Amino acid sequence: AQTVTQSQPEMSVQEAETVTLSCTYDTSESDYYLFWYKQPPSRQMILVIRQEAYKQQNATENRFSVNFQKAAKSFSLKISDSQLGDAAMYFCAYRSAPNSNSGYALNFGKGTSLLVTP
Amino acid sequence: DTGVSQDPRHKITKRGQNVTFRCDPISEHNRLYWYRQTLGQGPEFLTYFQNEAQLEKSRLLSDRFSAERPKGSFSTLEIQRTEQGDSAMYLCASSTDMWDETQYFGPGTRLLVL
Repeated sequence: AQTVTQSQPEMSVQEAETVTLSCTYDTSESDYYLFWYKQPPSRQMILVIRQEAYKQQNATENRFSVNFQKAAKSFSLKISDSQLGDAAMYFCAYRSAPNSNSGYALNFGKGTSLLVTP
Repeated sequence: DTGVSQDPRHKITKRGQNVTFRCDPISEHNRLYWYRQTLGQGPEFLTYFQNEAQLEKSRLLSDRFSAERPKGSFSTLEIQRTEQGDSAMYLCASSTDMWDETQYFGPGTRLLVL
């Protein structure tokens, strides 16, 4: 089974600054998907960004970008120009490719709590 | 376009009682997933439906848990003879069956077993 590790239980960033959240994963598969989800306090989980393993180019969504290092099995999330609304739990997740036998379940890390200070 | 909805949002029950949760997926999504999230942890996969067929079940889904998706629309998750260890947030997600499908989550049902 694939495992996802988020080694930073908590991170803090000042408004307008940049922060990077770390994620590593363990897999023997060559094709898969990686995701970052955001879960604000008492609110539902929303997708921040996704990355297909076969794509060499790092995904970007406005202020959010990833650094995907396939050989190192690393998938970090960079948040630029941090805003108060970015405060949330951030979960890294792994999913096997559709042509695998591993199903469609998302495997999540334990999350990183991001605090944004004014 | 409405998102995934779940009902109830909160449930308090006594140990030994049965509870049932409902999930309504995004209307054009034919895949539906249930996850469980305990405090301080990421969500853990429970089960998955493709239309009305339950295609995958986690070992976390003990025989006290049963899920259904009649007619491939809404889904229910029932827990029989609840235990205190069942206290958690139960999340539902849905997706299309496209090759690059993304799972969209509902707000969850928070269960407290006393």
